[in-house]
This record gives sequence, structure tokens and C-alpha cells, in this order.
Amino acid sequence: GQNIDQPTEMTATEGAIVQINCTYQTSGFNGLFWYQQHAGEAPTFLSYNVLDGLEEKGRFSSFLSRSKGYSYLLLKELQMKDSASYLCAVRSGGFKTIFGAGTRLFVKA
Amino acid sequence: EPEVTQTPSHQVTQMGQEVILRCVPISNHLYFYWYRQILGQKVEFLVSFYNNEISEKSEIFDDQFSVERPDGSNFTLKIRSTKLEDSAMYFCASSRQDSPLHFGNGTRLTVT
Repeated sequence: GQNIDQPTEMTATEGAIVQINCTYQTSGFNGLFWYQQHAGEAPTFLSYNVLDGLEEKGRFSSFLSRSKGYSYLLLKELQMKDSASYLCAVRSGGFKTIFGAGTRLFVKA
Repeated sequence: EPEVTQTPSHQVTQMGQEVILRCVPISNHLYFYWYRQILGQKVEFLVSFYNNEISEKSEIFDDQFSVERPDGSNFTLKIRSTKLEDSAMYFCASSRQDSPLHFGNGTRLTVT
């Protein structure tokens, strides 16, 4: 089966850096994704890792270690608009992407 | 930028009625998906569709559910006889091979 774990909630201060961790267990790993979801809206794609290492994209970076079943999303220079849920998702095989329960991030002034 | 479009944005139906949720995937995408999200809960996989057939489905996707690609652009999810617990946001998504899922804005289904 598949299992994805991430913290339920995190709080950080505007301008700071926050790291959201994700651990997963899956068969047939074929990529890990991070999505952002504001309340009442659709998930929007942030980053994709299929090989080990760090992927950087502006204020967002994502890291993957396949041997450890571990990823993190790093958000720098936090802004109030970054308050949202961050979803870790794992693709197994070609056709199924499973989502974790998400981490609700609260950014305070 | 091309996007996935879903209609309607909100559907209210009575228990036992059939509903059809509609989606137009991004035109050069070949993989299509339906997910649902019950209020306050996680995004749950329902079904994936490729080459005009279901490629994978979850335990949630029982005989009450069906999907269809009736023409070259639409992708539909039908719920035959809705139950109260089917109330949720239903998201359609599409992708190319090994690319991220692109989600539509969702249809909020309310079963009364």
C-alpha cells in the first residue's frame, strides 16, 4: 500500500524560512510532487522531484531522498499570501498519484 | 496558459439522483483523472483514464461511479444514485506522461 505523512499544521513569521517535511512509503515510485491549496480552491502545482536532490524554483525549493522515502518543501521569504495547505503527493507507476493530508501553514506578521 | 475547465461549479442534487460532472482537460494531455475532497479532508484519488479506458481506480470508485470520454474534448464522471456521503468537491485533472497533474477548479457537489 501507500502511506504519506506530513505535519498537520505549522506556523511561521513573515519573511522567515519554513521547511515542511514529508515521508512516504510506496511501491513503484515514479515522482514526488508538492502542491499548494488555498481553502476552497484547487491544488496548484509547485514542484516535482523524481531524482534525489534539490530542485529550486524561486522562493520554493524541494528536496528528495528516495532511499529514505523523504522529501521537504522549503519556502523562503515568507509572505502572508503563503498561508495555505501544502500537499505532498507521490506517483506510483504511471496512473496513480496519491496525496498526503496536507500541512496547513499559517504565516503571521 | 491552457487550463482544465469543469462544469458546473456547484451542483445540488437529491439523494438517489444521478449526476454528471463535466471536465474539459488540457488539449494535448492524454491522462485524465478524477479526485474528490470531502470538506476538511484530504484529496482522494478516484480514477485515472488513458487511451479511452480506465487505467486505475480506487476502492471509492465502486459500481455507482463511471467515467466517459464521449467526444474528443470532454471527460465526465457519473454518479448513478447519489448518497449523502458523496457530498464533496470533485476535481478533474489532466497530465502528459510523467508530468504534474493540472487541476480544474472543481465542482462542489451537495447531496440533500
